[in-house]
Formats: sequence, structure tokens, C-alpha cells
Amino acid sequence: GDSVTQMEGPVTLSEEAFLTINCTYTATGYPSLFWYVQYPGEGLQLLLKATKADDKGSNKGFEATYRKETTSFHLEKGSVQVSDSAVYFCALSAALSGGSYIPTFGRGTSLIVHP
Amino acid sequence: GAVVSQHPSWVICKSGTSVKIECRSLDFQATTMFWYRQFPKQSLMLMATSNEGSKATYEQGVEKDKFLINHASLTLSTLTVTSAHPEDSSFYICSARHSPNYGYTFGSGTRLTVV
Repeated sequence: GDSVTQMEGPVTLSEEAFLTINCTYTATGYPSLFWYVQYPGEGLQLLLKATKADDKGSNKGFEATYRKETTSFHLEKGSVQVSDSAVYFCALSAALSGGSYIPTFGRGTSLIVHP
Repeated sequence: GAVVSQHPSWVICKSGTSVKIECRSLDFQATTMFWYRQFPKQSLMLMATSNEGSKATYEQGVEKDKFLINHASLTLSTLTVTSAHPEDSSFYICSARHSPNYGYTFGSGTRLTVV
């Protein structure tokens, strides 16, 4: 079945450091890929997405490129802020028979940014 | 656009009582909604897929008589935790998909505490 593997956290960085959170996936067909962010005590928010190979999703300084050859969708940000502290989830969505889509999530990676 | 409203945000109930959680798509119609449970510092566990006008599809290991799901309209799905016990205490999140490849929009979650 489909699966998403994320690097284990927590990831602890100082403010303005460079961030990479690795995400790889296995899926049949051509899934869409997503990154979600969850701030403490809140639900998940879509951060960015990519729907086909070589697409780059970007939002709020975060970027991720859909790499079909390496089945990866790593999240990056050039300069993190304290306010970026949250849990980040990588996810994929692939069509099932009958046209339905079931999302699959990674385990989440906690990011802690210190001033 | 694509807003999902979840209510209540938090609830405390006595053991043995039932609790209903609502999930509404505010500006789009959702024939399918998803219910997740999130344990502390863990990823989302898909509990069930709620289908408008038909029975929900439960994931393996989820008790359908314990977690009743009703999707009576294109904009509302409800999850009722029946005869709640302390082990049911968790963070419950619903989501819906606005359109193919759009990504999943999540409600803000419900923190259930059973005492």
C-alpha cells in the first residue's frame, strides 16, 4: 500500500538556520504530495502541495519539489523563525479505484526553533 | 475558500456519556469527509471515511458501534463517541477534500477528555 516516511524529530534549530525535513513515499500511480503544518493545540493546515513530477510547491518561505526519480518531497526553508515551531506532516493522495482519494500521512516531524 | 469548521474545540465529559462532534464544510460540498484520531506526539490515524447518504467506511480496528458517524448532508458529518471512557480521550480531527488534487482541508480539531 501507499506509505510516507518522514525523518524523525524533533528537529531543533536556532533562528535563521536552514531547515530540511526529509520525506519519501511509496505509491502506485502518480500521487499528489502535500506538506501540512500543525501548530500546538490546533488542527492541520495545508502548507504547500505539488501535483506532478518536478513541480515545486512554495508558501511562507517553505519549498518542496516533487522528485519522482527519488520518490521524495523534502521540505526546506532558508531561514527559520521561532514562529515556525510546529509539527510538519508530509502526505500523499492517490486515486483509488472508483475515483476516491484517500490521504496517507507521515508520522510528523516536530520542529523547535530557538531564538 | 475550502473552509472546514469543527465543533466543539474541546469537550470534557463523564465516563459513560456520549459526545457528538460536528464537522461542516462551509463553502463547498463534501460528499466524503474523513475522521482522524491523533494521539500525543503521533501522527494522524484515519478512523473512518464518511460518505454522504450512505454508511461510513471504518478502518480496521475501529469500533463502528463505538464511533458512530452520520453524514446526512453534503456539508455536515458528525462523529459520536458513545459510552465514552478515559481511553477515548484524544484529539479528533475531521477533513474534507475540496476538489481533486486540491489537498485536504482540516477542521481545527476537538480535544476530548473523558473523566
